[in-house]
Amino acid sequence: LAKTTQPISMDSYEGQEVNITCSHNNIATNDYITWYQQFPSQGPRFIIQGYKTKVTNEVASLFIPADRKSSTLSLPRVSLSDTAVYYCLVGSGTYKYIFGTGTRLKVLA
Amino acid sequence: GAVVSQHPSRVICKSGTSVKIECRSLDFQATTMFWYRQFPKQSLMLMATSNEGSKATYEQGVEKDKFLINHASLTLSTLTVTSAHPEDSSFYICSAIKTGVGYNEQFFGPGTRLTVL
Repeated sequence: LAKTTQPISMDSYEGQEVNITCSHNNIATNDYITWYQQFPSQGPRFIIQGYKTKVTNEVASLFIPADRKSSTLSLPRVSLSDTAVYYCLVGSGTYKYIFGTGTRLKVLA
Repeated sequence: GAVVSQHPSRVICKSGTSVKIECRSLDFQATTMFWYRQFPKQSLMLMATSNEGSKATYEQGVEKDKFLINHASLTLSTLTVTSAHPEDSSFYICSAIKTGVGYNEQFFGPGTRLTVL
């Protein structure tokens, strides 16, 4: 199971773009990279998933370099409601995820 | 997206009693479900993998006789915390795997807050 490393915390201001990078040096060929968001006392919520290059949806973009040993979640124009913990997870098949520390994002007014 | 529910959302019990937590996939069938535990300000810790029709697989350090898991149908897995003690107080979260053609997606439940007095 690939281990992930993320910054413990980040601060940003409303309206800014936030980029959170995750390193996963031992990612396997079949592994996908998935990012989740978690608010206090709630279960994690799916944000985006990718395998390589760039993926974009209505809430975020995910950038994955060719070697796939890292990935960057990009949140455009964050608001106060984006304050949460963001987890980068790597896995495939049975999706037996091992959660890392996550990144605690605080958006300031 | 798919919906996973948990019941109850919060429970308070006395030390020594047993508590059952249900995890349901509401609009899809899930052969595989996972149970996690999360302490305040910490990350989710995987406890066990629940497989429909077979025994659960527990992670190292998780007592299988204390945390009983039953996955009797494709939409329901239950976690029973037996003889609960204050140190079992935590936030318990389940997830379910939705399998499609060429993909698997994992959906998480809203969590259950257990407080043992």
